Amino acid sequence: DAGVIQSPRHEVTEMGQEVTLRCKPISGHDYLFWYRQTMMRGLELLIYFNNNVPIDDSGMPEDRFSAKMPNASFSTLKIQPSEPRDSAVYFCASSPFSRDSANYGYTFGSGTRLTVV
Amino acid sequence: ILNVEQSPQSLHVQEGDSTNFTCSFPSSNFYALHWYRWETAKSPEALFVMTLNGDEKKKGRISATLNTKEGYSYLYIKGSQPEDSATYLCAFTPAGGFKTIFGAGTRLFVKA
Repeated sequence: DAGVIQSPRHEVTEMGQEVTLRCKPISGHDYLFWYRQTMMRGLELLIYFNNNVPIDDSGMPEDRFSAKMPNASFSTLKIQPSEPRDSAVYFCASSPFSRDSANYGYTFGSGTRLTVV
Repeated sequence: ILNVEQSPQSLHVQEGDSTNFTCSFPSSNFYALHWYRWETAKSPEALFVMTLNGDEKKKGRISATLNTKEGYSYLYIKGSQPEDSATYLCAFTPAGGFKTIFGAGTRLFVKA
């Protein structure tokens, strides 16, 4: 398996533009997580899905952020309109997380470094 | 508010030293405790996931223990090597969901 695949690796955009980050989880993992990493706040959970259904989006900072998972192999995180304070590294992770497979933990993608100027 | 605290924030050791870090988490509503290793410019990699009080896990020179009653976990590295230099994250998953909360990490520097 190629692991969790995120694209793009780097994104530079102007304030006000729409940004879409993409994630392909590991096949068979029924949990998908979006995290944001900043110097000030570390790794913050934005939203997670179970079997393509959003379960908890309480970490999504504001209405400018939205996430979808149209099928088991694809998820997007969209920011519209983007602002400079959204600049961060966004990680996607997947897990088969259940008590029987708790040893697997999360598998993280390589992240998307977003810079909004 | 769930809080995961890690100490120390950073640690400088010499090659061959053994070292340990602490992770504190809420002792109620426990489901799982994870440890991850995060090298600069890479993504976090899972080391251990522990679910039972008293669990001990080992992978090579790295081991971890878990005390869910008092809400702490220790990560030990025996005979540190320069390639162990990384940030070590712990993460707490509460029962009733999978809203895993990460600590800020312990940054380890191993000097040759």
